[in-house]
Amino acid sequence: KQEVTQIPAALSVPEGENLVLNCSFTDSAIYNLQWFRQDPGKGLTSLLLIQSSQREQTSGRLNASLDKSSGRSTLYIAASQPGDSATYLCAVSGSFSGGYNKLIFGAGTRLAVHP
Amino acid sequence: GAGVSQSPSNKVTEKGKDVELRCDPISGHTALYWYRQRLGQGLEFLIYFQGNSAPDKSGLPSDRFSAERTGGSVSTLTIQRTQQEDSAVYLCASSLFGGGNTDTQYFGPGTRLTVL
Repeated sequence: KQEVTQIPAALSVPEGENLVLNCSFTDSAIYNLQWFRQDPGKGLTSLLLIQSSQREQTSGRLNASLDKSSGRSTLYIAASQPGDSATYLCAVSGSFSGGYNKLIFGAGTRLAVHP
Repeated sequence: GAGVSQSPSNKVTEKGKDVELRCDPISGHTALYWYRQRLGQGLEFLIYFQGNSAPDKSGLPSDRFSAERTGGSVSTLTIQRTQQEDSAVYLCASSLFGGGNTDTQYFGPGTRLTVL
C-alpha cells in the first residue's frame, strides 16, 4: 500500500528565507509526483508535476526534485514571501492506482511566512 | 476559461438527512475524481469516473455513498442518512485523460459539509 509522508508538518519562517519541504513515499512504482498548494477555504492549486523519468521541475521561485529510487521528493522555495503562506501537499500516482492517476496524498506541510 | 466548480460551497445538515454535492468539471476533461478531506487529515480518494462509468469506487466509505456522472460532464455525489463522521470538505478534480505521466488534475474549491 502506497503511503506518503511529509515533513515537517508545520513551518514558520521570516520573509526572505529559502526553505525546503520534504515528501517521501513507500512504493517507487509511480507515474508522477505532484506538489499542490492549498489556501484556507479554497481548492488545490497544482504547482509542479514531475514525471517518473524526470529529476526536477522548476517554476519561478519553486523547484521540485524527485529521487524515485529512494522514494523522496523535495520542494524548494526561494526567497519566501508572506504570500507563500499556505498548506503544501505532495501526491503520487502509479501502478498502485489501478492504471490511472488516482492520487495518494501526504498530510501536508503548513507554511507560515511572516514579514 | 472556467475551472472546476462545485456547489454548494457550504452545506449544513442534520444527522440522518440525505445530501447531494455537485461538480462541474473543466469542459472536455474525460476523467473526474472525488476526494474527501476531514479536519486535520490528508485527502482521501473516493471515486474515479472515466466518461460516465466509474471503474474505481474503492474509496467510497460505505454504501450510504454513491455518485453518478451524466453526459460525460457533471457529477453528483450523494450521501444518504448522513452521520457526523461524514463532516469534511469534499473536493472534485478533473483531468484531460485520466492516465499517463503528464495528466494534471485540476481541483474545484470544494464543498464543506457539516453534519450536526
